[in-house]
Amino acid sequence: EVQLVQSGVEVKKPGESLKISCKGSGFNFPSYWIGWVRQMPGKGLEWMGLIYPGDSETRYSPSFQGQVTISADKSISTAYLKWSSLKASDTAMYYCAKQGWSPDHFDQWGQGTLVTVSS
Amino acid sequence: SYELTQPPSVSVSPGQTARITCSGDALSKQYTYWYQQKPGQAPVLVIFKDSERPSGIPERFSGSTSGTTVSLTISGVQAEDEADYYCQSTDTSDTYEDWVFGGGTKLTVL
Repeated sequence: EVQLVQSGVEVKKPGESLKISCKGSGFNFPSYWIGWVRQMPGKGLEWMGLIYPGDSETRYSPSFQGQVTISADKSISTAYLKWSSLKASDTAMYYCAKQGWSPDHFDQWGQGTLVTVSS
Repeated sequence: SYELTQPPSVSVSPGQTARITCSGDALSKQYTYWYQQKPGQAPVLVIFKDSERPSGIPERFSGSTSGTTVSLTISGVQAEDEADYYCQSTDTSDTYEDWVFGGGTKLTVL
């Protein structure tokens, strides 16, 4: 069974750093693009970017380029999303998801990681 | 930037047909995908490649295209279909790639 299991709820202060994770199982992790999607409270889905764990090639949405860093460790089938300095506006649910039959959509999603940034 | 436009809400009675549209300039050239998101849950893929249905998705879900507008149709709507639905496509060129989601449509089953 394909699964993506994300790290737990985070509560941070503005200016702090954060790295959340997404562990894949049930599929050949290095061979599938893994993406990240933001959902702000009460809002829609926003594509942030992708990583190909096999060679760590990354692609970022123009809206998120420079704001976050996507990485992966194929040896432990885990992808990461990192912030170096959080803002209150980063408060959101963050989903990781696995590439589908082609690298232009997702066919499996993680359960989401809720990040709250508040002073 | 590229945008996909969906109606904010659609309401239907149980057993009726719900149709959710998604419009975008490049949709005639790129595949469209549809996701269902129920409250407090992660999205689920319900249609891929414009009109294909993943295994496990009921036959009442179907997709179609007409020019730059794509549609998700749910025939014989059931109470369990009440959810937010998002279309998704891609905007690509030689120098960048951007995946785009529509704003989402809240389906209410009356």
